[in-house]
Amino acid sequence: EPEVTQTPSHQVTQMGQEVILRCVPISNHLYFYWYRQILGQKVEFLVSFYNNEISEKSEIFDDQFSVERPDGSNFTLKIRSTKLEDSAMYFCASSEFAGLAKNIQYFGAGTRLSVL
Amino acid sequence: GQQLNQSPQSMFIQEGEDVSMNCTSSSIFNTWLWYKQDPGEGPVLLIALYKAGELTSNGRLTAQFGITRKDSFLNISASIPSDVGIYFCAGRREGSTLGRLYFGRGTQLTVWP
Repeated sequence: EPEVTQTPSHQVTQMGQEVILRCVPISNHLYFYWYRQILGQKVEFLVSFYNNEISEKSEIFDDQFSVERPDGSNFTLKIRSTKLEDSAMYFCASSEFAGLAKNIQYFGAGTRLSVL
Repeated sequence: GQQLNQSPQSMFIQEGEDVSMNCTSSSIFNTWLWYKQDPGEGPVLLIALYKAGELTSNGRLTAQFGITRKDSFLNISASIPSDVGIYFCAGRREGSTLGRLYFGRGTQLTVWP
């Protein structure tokens, strides 16, 4: 069964460093998302992306964050200068359709980011 | 910001028992979703609901979209050990473009054999 894959599974970085989290969405999907989950808290929306543009972003997604679809298969989340509070599990999701009844978002297993 | 309250936070039950959990929101949703998350995995969709009053089943799972469009519940009947995990409700607000999801805090389910 097709799945969303994320790499790495765990990323450890020093505060202030840049990190890039990578995702390979399901191949025929056109709509892409990043969410994050701080330990013990709820899953929070970061950004949605379609047709090489950000469609919507949350208040969490500030200037330190950026997303890119550098080629036909990868979807990346970059954090320019990591802060301690960026430590979280980051989930990528993708969907084939955008319409109300068909926007089923499939999630990857996540990347655990630890900022020291 | 959007508040989505999920309860209970955790449940400890005996195998064979039924389970019920629910979510309420501070605003109207046009979609309610229930996900399960196993350790080290991402959320997996269990049930999707699109209309107020809708009642949908998936095996031993049953979920309903509340009439007010501000709540939903999930029932699991005759629980088994593999039901262990974290269950999340998620909703989509009216007017959402690409389906931004708002999540509850999750219900941690433990099933004793």
